[in-house]
Amino acid sequence: DIVMTQSPLSLSVTPGESASISCRSSQSLLHRTGYDYLDWFLQKPGQSPQLLIYLGSNRAPGVPDRFSGSGSGTDFTLKISRVEAEDVGVYYCMQSLENPRTFGQGTKVEIK
Amino acid sequence: EIQLVESGGGVLQPGQSLRLSCTGSGFKFADFAPAWFRQAPGKGLEWVGFIRSAAYGGTSDYGASVRGRATISRDDSRNIAYLQLDSLKIEDSGKYFCTRDGGAEATIKGEDHDFWGQGTLVTVSS
Repeated sequence: DIVMTQSPLSLSVTPGESASISCRSSQSLLHRTGYDYLDWFLQKPGQSPQLLIYLGSNRAPGVPDRFSGSGSGTDFTLKISRVEAEDVGVYYCMQSLENPRTFGQGTKVEIK
Repeated sequence: EIQLVESGGGVLQPGQSLRLSCTGSGFKFADFAPAWFRQAPGKGLEWVGFIRSAAYGGTSDYGASVRGRATISRDDSRNIAYLQLDSLKIEDSGKYFCTRDGGAEATIKGEDHDFWGQGTLVTVSS
C-alpha cells in the first residue's frame, strides 16, 4: 500500500496569515496520463469531507482561490493564503493512484 | 443537485452483519463507482472499498481491514449502492460515508470524491 505522511499534524494560525501543509507519498503518484493522483480534503467539525484540490493542483469548484496545491511525484503541499476562521478543521491528503486509496494522518488547523 | 444519502446504520453486536445503502441523485449513477469510506470516532479517514461501473467491469475492490467480510453491490436501476459487512468487530464502529469515484475522464474533470453523503453511524458493541 502507498503510505501517505502529512506534516505538521497540527497548526495554529492567525487570521490573515498563510499556512502550509506537506504531504509525502511512499511512491510516485504520477499516473501515465501525466497527472499526479493526489487530492486534498477538508473536514470541518461535524461535517463530511469536502474536496479542495484534485490531481495535485486543481481547485474543486467553489473552493476559494486562497487554497492552492503544488508538488509532483512524492512531495506535495497545500497552501492556505490569508487564513479565515471558516478554514478550521482537519486537512487530509489522499492518493487515488491505486487501491487501496490511502490518506495522510490529517492536519488539524486551528485559529489563534 | 447532486446528492448522496447513506442509510442503515445503527447499533449491532460483534459477529453480526450490517447492510448500508447509498442512494445517489442528480447525476448519472451508472457511470460512477460508488465508494465507501469510514471514520472511527476521533480518527482519520479510511477507504473501505468501491464498485466499478458496468463499463469498467462492475467489479469491487476492498481495503485490507474489511476484505473477505465486505461485499459492495449496486442497483443502477434504483441508483443505490450497498455495503454489506459480515462478522462485525468492535473496530468496525464509526461513521460510514459514501462518495462517488469516476473513471479516467471523470478524474481529470475533478469528479472523483467531489460529493459526499452526510454519513451513517455504526456502533458495534456487546
